[in-house]
Amino acid sequence: GAGVSQSPSNKVTEKGKDVELRCDPISGHTALYWYRQSLGQGLEFLIYFQGNSAPDKSGLPSDRFSAERTGGSVSTLTIQRTQQEDSAVYLCASSLVGGPMNTEAFFGQGTRLTVV
Amino acid sequence: QKEVEQDPGPLSVPEGAIVSLNCTYSNSAFQYFMWYRQYSRKGPELLMYTYSSGNKEDGRFTAQVDKSSKYISLFIRDSQPSDSATYLCAMYEEYGNKLVFGAGTILRVKS
Repeated sequence: GAGVSQSPSNKVTEKGKDVELRCDPISGHTALYWYRQSLGQGLEFLIYFQGNSAPDKSGLPSDRFSAERTGGSVSTLTIQRTQQEDSAVYLCASSLVGGPMNTEAFFGQGTRLTVV
Repeated sequence: QKEVEQDPGPLSVPEGAIVSLNCTYSNSAFQYFMWYRQYSRKGPELLMYTYSSGNKEDGRFTAQVDKSSKYISLFIRDSQPSDSATYLCAMYEEYGNKLVFGAGTILRVKS
């Protein structure tokens, strides 16, 4: 596709249920990021994938959160036993290469997660 | 204390005004600085990218970095209603791999 694609665009789930959020990065981009944006807050880093290297998971807020990237392309962010404080917009971004030497990370439109 | 501080606003200005948006940071390891613009219900998009202290100009936008003061700015000249959005500053460490964002400033340009 032309840009980063995220699905679903909106997700309402009951507290305690598991959810999966999907990200399709731009073809050929080796770096993939997940961020979380809560109302009135900046983007909070969650996890970073670069090629075949071990991901940087330092931003995951708890062990209920996990992410994988299959075949160096599509990524799935999974939240288990969702809590109301997990309600936020989850943004995925990809870039040609990772880190500051890459000048632009392209963002998807995000998945708006609401836990009721 | 957050690593990056940014006034969330909202900042409301008349069309044609000069807008000044600012961020301060505490981590001296930050070396690369960016400004992103985010329209409602959209993902952020890159506006400006700077490395060294000083000014960088692109059309109506000027990014300014003062590493000695740990202070960055974005100036918008001749502001337009279409500039109404949230502006997020972001920065990387020298060998980092994650962008650290400010909270974002909501800008409203009134026609």
